[in-house]
Amino acid sequence: DGGITQSPKYLFRKEGQNVTLSCEQNLNHDAMYWYRQDPGQGLRLIYYSQIVNDFQKGDIAEGYSVSREKKESFPLTVTSAQKNPTAFYLCASTPRQGGAYGYTFGSGTRLTVV
Amino acid sequence: GDSVTQMEGPVTLSEEAFLTINCTYTATGYPSLFWYVQYPGEGLQLLLKATKADDKGSNKGFEATYRKETTSFHLEKGSVQVSDSAVYFCALSLSGNTPLVFGKGTRLSVIA
Repeated sequence: DGGITQSPKYLFRKEGQNVTLSCEQNLNHDAMYWYRQDPGQGLRLIYYSQIVNDFQKGDIAEGYSVSREKKESFPLTVTSAQKNPTAFYLCASTPRQGGAYGYTFGSGTRLTVV
Repeated sequence: GDSVTQMEGPVTLSEEAFLTINCTYTATGYPSLFWYVQYPGEGLQLLLKATKADDKGSNKGFEATYRKETTSFHLEKGSVQVSDSAVYFCALSLSGNTPLVFGKGTRLSVIA
């Protein structure tokens, strides 16, 4: 079955560490997205990519980095510059941006700073 | 800019009650409209969508009608169940190079 796989489901980070969250899709979608969700909060866009080797900053890109070397993969690195990284991270994809295409979401990664 | 406004939650209902979650939007063009549902600890799932004025999206007993004159896309269900307890997000999509715009979500709790 096609879908989006996020891993790991739970991730613990020590202060000052960089960690990378994985997002893989086998839907042949062009566009991919990373969102951050805090308890009781809505979704905030971190980065998105409409095509391989290209990506744009969202509303809260500071302290995060991404790459899009392959169509099916869009990993997110949470760097030590992100001072408050504890949150639920969601990856999504869509055939192409805009119009009537909805997003398909992964099941999320919960990141906790210890 | 483009935006989506949802009613603030949480909404608490008894089982079999009628549900309405209000959603209004501001957009420069003619958006497609979506409702997503998020169950605890999971990602979002597409619940229903409508792509033009007067379209009605429906799924699992939920309905929403695209009202251009009132710029609204209210979510309704005639008889909620405990299993409908979740967070519901309204969203809009415009053609072009902009990501989906989400509302802040409305938490629904249904009690037996």
